[in-house]
Amino acid sequence: AQTVTQSQPEMSVQEAETVTLSCTYDTSESDYYLFWYKQPPSRQMILVIRQEAYKQQNATENRFSVNFQKAAKSFSLKISDSQLGDAAMYFCAYRAATNKLIFGTGTLLAVQP
Amino acid sequence: GAGVSQSPSNKVTEKGKDVELRCDPISGHTALYWYRQSLGQGLEFLIYFQGNSAPDKSGLPSDRFSAERTGGSVSTLTIQRTQQEDSAVYLCASSLTYQRGAYNEQFFGPGTRLTVL
Repeated sequence: AQTVTQSQPEMSVQEAETVTLSCTYDTSESDYYLFWYKQPPSRQMILVIRQEAYKQQNATENRFSVNFQKAAKSFSLKISDSQLGDAAMYFCAYRAATNKLIFGTGTLLAVQP
Repeated sequence: GAGVSQSPSNKVTEKGKDVELRCDPISGHTALYWYRQSLGQGLEFLIYFQGNSAPDKSGLPSDRFSAERTGGSVSTLTIQRTQQEDSAVYLCASSLTYQRGAYNEQFFGPGTRLTVL
């Protein structure tokens, strides 16, 4: 069975600085998708970025980028130029068969002004 | 266009009562998912619908939980004889038809917060 682990329950970053959230996963599949979701206090899950396992190039979406290490089964999220609006719970997720998502336990990110 | 909607937004019930939670997916989305977010268990998958059938019910925690989908659209998650451990946020998501190897984004609703007293 696939598992996703986030070892940082909470993180803090100064506004305009860079922060990296960690995620590791376990799977026996060779082709899969990985995601980072953001959940603000409104509870609305928002897709931040996705990575296809067959692509060696790390995904980037504006200030958000990932460091995908397939052999190490590591998938970290880097947020550059952090903004107050980035404060939220961040979940790493793995897409299993039938498209269901397996989530990590989340990292609560605080952004200090 | 309209996103995924869920109702009610909040539900408080007494232990032992039955509850129904509703999900309206994005129009045209044939795949629908229910997840549960609780303090003790984190975010976990409950059930997946493709059209009106549920090929994956592996996440339903007990036989008190059931779900149905009618007309390939609205879905209802029913919890019978609620227990305090059922207290959680129940999230619904929808996407275009799942195809292995292809990517279809799941769009989430705002969730229903269930509190069992």
